[in-house]
Amino acid sequence: QQQVKQSPQSLIVQKGGISIINCAYENTAFDYFPWYQQFPGKGPALLIAIRPDVSEKKEGRFTISFNKSAKQFSLHIMDSQPGDSATYFCAARNSGYALNFGKGTSLLVTP
Amino acid sequence: DAGITQSPRHKVTETGTPVTLRCHQTENHRYMYWYRQDPGHGLRLIHYSYGVKDTDKGEVSDGYSVSRSKTEDFLLTLESATSSQTSVYFCATQADGTVQTQYFGPGTRLLVL
Repeated sequence: QQQVKQSPQSLIVQKGGISIINCAYENTAFDYFPWYQQFPGKGPALLIAIRPDVSEKKEGRFTISFNKSAKQFSLHIMDSQPGDSATYFCAARNSGYALNFGKGTSLLVTP
Repeated sequence: DAGITQSPRHKVTETGTPVTLRCHQTENHRYMYWYRQDPGHGLRLIHYSYGVKDTDKGEVSDGYSVSRSKTEDFLLTLESATSSQTSVYFCATQADGTVQTQYFGPGTRLLVL
């Protein structure tokens, strides 16, 4: 059973546009929500993360918005660039430290 | 990448043969994880370790075993490989419970014929 549901599966955005990826979860025990970025042939790398006591976190062009009551969180990539083309995974962690990943979103930013 | 190496990086094997994948880290991280990545499934946890000789199962552990005799090495064994175990396998490490970041290795691409 998928504990974290991610959408969309794929996304095409023009250069300079905003990319938005959404995730939803059910387990209220989750206490840490990271986003990972993965380029072809590479392992995932941490992009940005948030805890449920914060509603928004911004790092450069990347922002996580977190809605605890709706059990949803999203990644916004502002001014999307072709170099942002990658697969993005949301995840959620419970007290056991293992991460539960969404199925991933393949982002293509066109020139 | 927290000094994580995986070996081999690519392997082709036949159904029914045992296979061992190795993860080696140089950062002295306490926690180590094995995930598999398949199209349409994201990353799924196979097994993890929270210390030397301390391991536990993840959500897709059937057909896999692990061992951790040293802090730096975490081995994943497919006891009798099946075609359904064709996948990309990633090792990850985490320093301790208070430091959240999991660092991933470069992956091992396994094909079971």
